[in-house]
Amino acid sequence: AQKITQTQPGMFVQEKEAVTLDCTYDTSDPSYGLFWYKQPSSGEMIFLIYQGSYDQQNATEGRYSLNFQKARKSANLVISASQLGDSAMYFCAMRELPSSGAGSYQLTFGKGTKLSVIP
Amino acid sequence: GAGVSQSPSNKVTEKGKDVELRCDPISGHTALYWYRQSLGQGLEFLIYFQGNSAPDKSGLPSDRFSAERTGGSVSTLTIQRTQQEDSAVYLCASSPRQGVAKNIQYFGAGTRLSVL
Repeated sequence: AQKITQTQPGMFVQEKEAVTLDCTYDTSDPSYGLFWYKQPSSGEMIFLIYQGSYDQQNATEGRYSLNFQKARKSANLVISASQLGDSAMYFCAMRELPSSGAGSYQLTFGKGTKLSVIP
Repeated sequence: GAGVSQSPSNKVTEKGKDVELRCDPISGHTALYWYRQSLGQGLEFLIYFQGNSAPDKSGLPSDRFSAERTGGSVSTLTIQRTQQEDSAVYLCASSPRQGVAKNIQYFGAGTRLSVL
């Protein structure tokens, strides 16, 4: 069974500083994908970044980067130059990527980290 | 193009009533998912549709919950005889079958259901 653990219920960061949100995962599947989503108070889940288990390089998307350490089963999100608009809940998620094409590809989510950016 | 659209955005109902929640996926996306987000349980998978294949209903919590997808596009999640524990935000997501984004699920803004 897949499991995602986010150990930081809440985090504070000063505007313009960088922040790291922790995520560890557990799976027996060799092929999987790791995702980060942002959920502001409006409720919509916004996709931020994706990392495949076989990707050689860490994923980056603008100010977001994913620090993928496969041996440690961690997939931390790094947000550089924090902005007030980054204040939101952040969810780490995972899904298996079976080569056979079978399976539902459902996401398993962590419980989230609430990030507050301080001016 | 337009994102995933869900309606209504908010729904208040009385215990025992039936409710229907609608999801309109991104045009061309063949996969459609329903999730439920509640304070106590976090985000839970409910059901998955992929094209014309039989849906994966493994996440539905009881037989009061059902979903259908007509014409491979719009989906309706129906909850019969609603209970207070059904109060939650119901999120819909879609993804394409092929391409770079095939592994990524794009979510709508959700329907907040309150059962009184």
